[in-house]
Amino acid sequence: DIQMTQSPSSLSASVGDRVTITCRASQSISTFLNWYQQIPRKAPKLLIYAASSLQSGVPSRFSGSGSGTDFTLTISSLQPEDFATYYCQQTYSTPLTFGGGTKVEIK
Amino acid sequence: QVQLVQSGAEVKKPGASVKVSCKASGYTFTDYYMHWVRQAPGQGLEWMGWINPNSGGTNYAQKFQGRVTVTRDTSISTAYMELSRLRSDDTAVYYCARGDPVGTTISCFDYWGQGTLVTVSS
Repeated sequence: DIQMTQSPSSLSASVGDRVTITCRASQSISTFLNWYQQIPRKAPKLLIYAASSLQSGVPSRFSGSGSGTDFTLTISSLQPEDFATYYCQQTYSTPLTFGGGTKVEIK
Repeated sequence: QVQLVQSGAEVKKPGASVKVSCKASGYTFTDYYMHWVRQAPGQGLEWMGWINPNSGGTNYAQKFQGRVTVTRDTSISTAYMELSRLRSDDTAVYYCARGDPVGTTISCFDYWGQGTLVTVSS
């Protein structure tokens, strides 16, 4: 199974901050990497697919990059509605696996 | 608009089975894979498997092989996930999520159901 490791596991930031979350795969997954946002007690929401493609309707302050084993999700200017937990997911091979999550909290 | 509406919360005893439904609307049900993902309380996301609603073909995570069965009823655009021999650590929110068009490479999950809490307790 491909292990997905996210860092940090949590972070505190202020509105307007630039936030970067990283995800590392245990083996190369090309660009089969997605990012989801989950607000407490809600279903996950797709933000970025194929490592860098912005899902329709997602604000342009979200961006993704990377290929192979190392990936990054960046929020260019954190907004109040962005305080949530973020998960990466690999779809290179089954079993599909998720990172452990990064909780973004208000400083 | 695409919607996935799941059945309500369940409470089950250890050793029992649970069957969760996921009714799709707003698109052609048989055209897209349907996945199942679960999330234990305070924990991360865990993929369980998928179904091809057109053929009925399935693919399960090895962890759940022999305990999970995903089926579908195309006449009512509904997918089902049944988990048997429940244990306390199966307590989780179970989600259905729409995948990619059938016949294409797995890419991402673009729509999710609202989740169904399954509690396993004696």
